[in-house]
Amino acid sequence: QKEVEQDPGPLSVPEGAIVSLNCTYSNSAFQYFMWYRQYSRKGPELLMYTYSSGNKEDGRFTAQVDKSSKYISLFIRDSQPSDSATYLCAPLAGGTSYGKLTFGQGTILTVHP
Amino acid sequence: SQTIHQWPATLVQPVGSPLSLECTVEGTSNPNLYWYRQAAGRGLQLLFYSVGIGQISSEVPQNLSASRPQDRQFILSSKKLLLSDSGFYLCAWSVATDTQYFGPGTRLTVL
Repeated sequence: QKEVEQDPGPLSVPEGAIVSLNCTYSNSAFQYFMWYRQYSRKGPELLMYTYSSGNKEDGRFTAQVDKSSKYISLFIRDSQPSDSATYLCAPLAGGTSYGKLTFGQGTILTVHP
Repeated sequence: SQTIHQWPATLVQPVGSPLSLECTVEGTSNPNLYWYRQAAGRGLQLLFYSVGIGQISSEVPQNLSASRPQDRQFILSSKKLLLSDSGFYLCAWSVATDTQYFGPGTRLTVL
């Protein structure tokens, strides 16, 4: 079993839709949870960063973590064509001397006008 | 503000040739540095990380090596490239165990 499982999609939605992107993980040591957005042929950029369970909102984006079920979600409200990208979840374990991120496979999202 | 640079942006190399990819970070001191590879349609695989000058740790055995000759410089090398070394190479930095910030990447094609 992979440490982080993410549905690769692709996911295609109309502009204005609510998008739900999800990951599951198996490692109980994960304490921090990142979402990265990666446009085609570019490096990933940090989108959201949450610690432990709960919700975090930033504009149209909401990150949700449920540590009891080992489930991570990213919601995008009022999706725009500019949101079309690959979204990568990346939990991080504590207790290490470096940031050991474990990436999901990434979900390809297309928002069409 | 911090900035991370990678070059070259694109590289096409024959099998068996050497490789040198460079990454530099500006605006921070003593960062942790990372090399990742992303194969087509795949997630990011951590190749090497460094917590200081001359300190390199390898995550997976492979045909590649890394060096950190200066605090904010990270180099990925190979003596002889294989077809399987093709991919998108990403450098990243972090402050200690905090979140990582990625560079623009180098797209390597080995023919």
